[in-house]
Amino acid sequence: DTEVTQTPKHLVMGMTNKKSLKCEQHMGHRAMYWYKQKAKKPPELMFVYSYEKLSINESVPSRFSPECPNSSLLNLHLHALQPEDSALYLCASSQGRGQLNTEAFFGQGTRLTVV
Amino acid sequence: AQSVSQHNHHVILSEAASLELGCNYSYGGTVNLFWYVQYPGQHLQLLLKYFSGDPLVKGIKGFEAEFIKSKFSFNLRKPSVQWSDTAEYFCAVNPRSNDYKLSFGAGTTVTVRA
Repeated sequence: DTEVTQTPKHLVMGMTNKKSLKCEQHMGHRAMYWYKQKAKKPPELMFVYSYEKLSINESVPSRFSPECPNSSLLNLHLHALQPEDSALYLCASSQGRGQLNTEAFFGQGTRLTVV
Repeated sequence: AQSVSQHNHHVILSEAASLELGCNYSYGGTVNLFWYVQYPGQHLQLLLKYFSGDPLVKGIKGFEAEFIKSKFSFNLRKPSVQWSDTAEYFCAVNPRSNDYKLSFGAGTTVTVRA
């Protein structure tokens, strides 16, 4: 199983809503990532969890809150978002620092629209 | 911090034509190099990767790339494209010293006309 599964595929939320994006992998990977991708732009790194600890936060606004409940799951909690936060949110995983073949596997993404 | 430049924003070519996409990176240390492809409506998929060894790497679907260290380049090639190669192509780099920080180039849209 080389899949990273993200739910939901699409999400429309108001600026006062609270919602969560979910990501799951069963490849035994110990690093998991959140990326944001705007239309016609490359993915931009938001957060990295390594061995279930937050390793990198790329100065992301606090209205985005990541959580890693266990080594297979990664959540992104959303609260009080702005319309400019509308984007494709990608989850990825990789084996972990120092491992060979540290390629990242990506999920299909959650297309988020903030209204 | 590392940065990645892709020379072509949009490439249009006919089936059976050859494809070459340029990628240059800026970083003072050792890097891992990747090409990812994003077909319309699909997730990012790894085409090929370079960590060490033979600088000419072969990937899936007939793609190959050559790492030229002196030029900080990792160009992608395919001798004969098909309509199904229509996609967005991203070059990506992470430094060996911090291999969680994968940085992507701006991407190249490739349109193959039948």
